[in-house]
Amino acid sequence: DTEVTQTPKHLVMGMTNKKSLKCEQHMGHRAMYWYKQKAKKPPELMFVYSYEKLSINESVPSRFSPECPNSSLLNLHLHALQPEDSALYLCASSQGAAAQNTEAFFGQGTRLTVV
Amino acid sequence: AQKITQTQPGMFVQEKEAVTLDCTYDTSDPSYGLFWYKQPSSGEMIFLIYQGSYDQQNATEGRYSLNFQKARKSANLVISASQLGDSAMYFCAMREVNSGGSNYKLTFGKGTLLTVNP
Repeated sequence: DTEVTQTPKHLVMGMTNKKSLKCEQHMGHRAMYWYKQKAKKPPELMFVYSYEKLSINESVPSRFSPECPNSSLLNLHLHALQPEDSALYLCASSQGAAAQNTEAFFGQGTRLTVV
Repeated sequence: AQKITQTQPGMFVQEKEAVTLDCTYDTSDPSYGLFWYKQPSSGEMIFLIYQGSYDQQNATEGRYSLNFQKARKSANLVISASQLGDSAMYFCAMREVNSGGSNYKLTFGKGTLLTVNP
């Protein structure tokens, strides 16, 4: 099973709402990632979790709050977002974050619209 | 400074023909990995092929091959016998160590939109 599952696939939320994006993998990977991708742009790294600990935060605003409850799950909690946060949010996993040659497997993403 | 450069915003190819997508990179790290991903309109990033900085031979995966020229810092993707389903955005990416030296980050180029014509 080489699948990363993200839910929901689409999300529309108001600027005062609180919502969460979920990501799950059962490949035994110990590194998980959140990326943000605006239309016609490349993905931009937001967070990296390695062995369930946050190892990289790319200066992401605090209205985005990641959580890694266990080695298979990764959440992204959203609160007080702005319309410019509308984007495709991609989750990925890899065998380890400290290995040069391991490819990252991506989910299909959550298309988020903030209104 | 841009780490990964893809100079072709869009490319067109006839079905069954070969196409080369360009990628150049910049790093001072002697140990790095280069990846190509395909992103259809559905959004999922699909891993295609990997080349390590110490690999002596060019990587191949089915119809995909990577033309790795280390001295020129280029890692071009060659797709042979193009199919209509190959129409998608293609991203070149590089894995390099972060500033703390403990983790690797995957950084993407701007992508090339490939259209395969029947």
